[in-house]
Amino acid sequence: AQSVTQPDIHITVSEGASLELRCNYSYGATPYLFWYVQSPGQGLQLLLKYFSGDTLVQGIKGFEAEFKRSQSSFNLRKPSVHWSDAAEYFCAVGPYGGGGNKLTFGTGTQLKVEL
Amino acid sequence: DVKVTQSSRYLVKRTGEKVFLECVQDMDHENMFWYRQDPGLGLRLIYFSYDVKMKEKGDIPEGYSVSREKKERFSLILESASTNQTSMYLCASSLGSGGADTQYFGPGTRLTVL
Repeated sequence: AQSVTQPDIHITVSEGASLELRCNYSYGATPYLFWYVQSPGQGLQLLLKYFSGDTLVQGIKGFEAEFKRSQSSFNLRKPSVHWSDAAEYFCAVGPYGGGGNKLTFGTGTQLKVEL
Repeated sequence: DVKVTQSSRYLVKRTGEKVFLECVQDMDHENMFWYRQDPGLGLRLIYFSYDVKMKEKGDIPEGYSVSREKKERFSLILESASTNQTSMYLCASSLGSGGADTQYFGPGTRLTVL
């Protein structure tokens, strides 16, 4: 069965500092990998996704992620965090269960930004 | 832009009531999904539908059912609500069955069962 681990439940960074959110996955084949962000009181919004090609993926809001097959990781990075980046971030892997794009989500990382 | 709307942002129901959560998408998407979100557990798939009148169980279908009579609408039904179904419910849709298709999410319904 596929799974996603986000080892950090909470992370606090200062505004302007760099950010890295960790994501490790378990999947038997070539995975499709996603990062979503959830602002308070909102649904989830896609930041970026990887499904083939270049292992460094650029997303919206200045985020990027790197797929490392050898480490089964897909960590999210941002060089300089803004206060508006405070939110919960979810990593997801798919598909599973015979097809379609059913996703398995991690438990999320809550990001707090100190001014 | 894709828009996924959910009928209520907040809902309070009593134990044993039948509860309907409605979701509508406006982009002619094939797939629709219902998740519940709980602190520390992330999102867990309840049911999904890949076509009208078609449905498939997700990871936690017990206590829930779904209905998809029209392509744009996907309903989640709690036949007899219980307190352990107090949660945030998120609906999503995606274009087709490709594994890399983006899922677009609604704003969520926070359900409290008393």
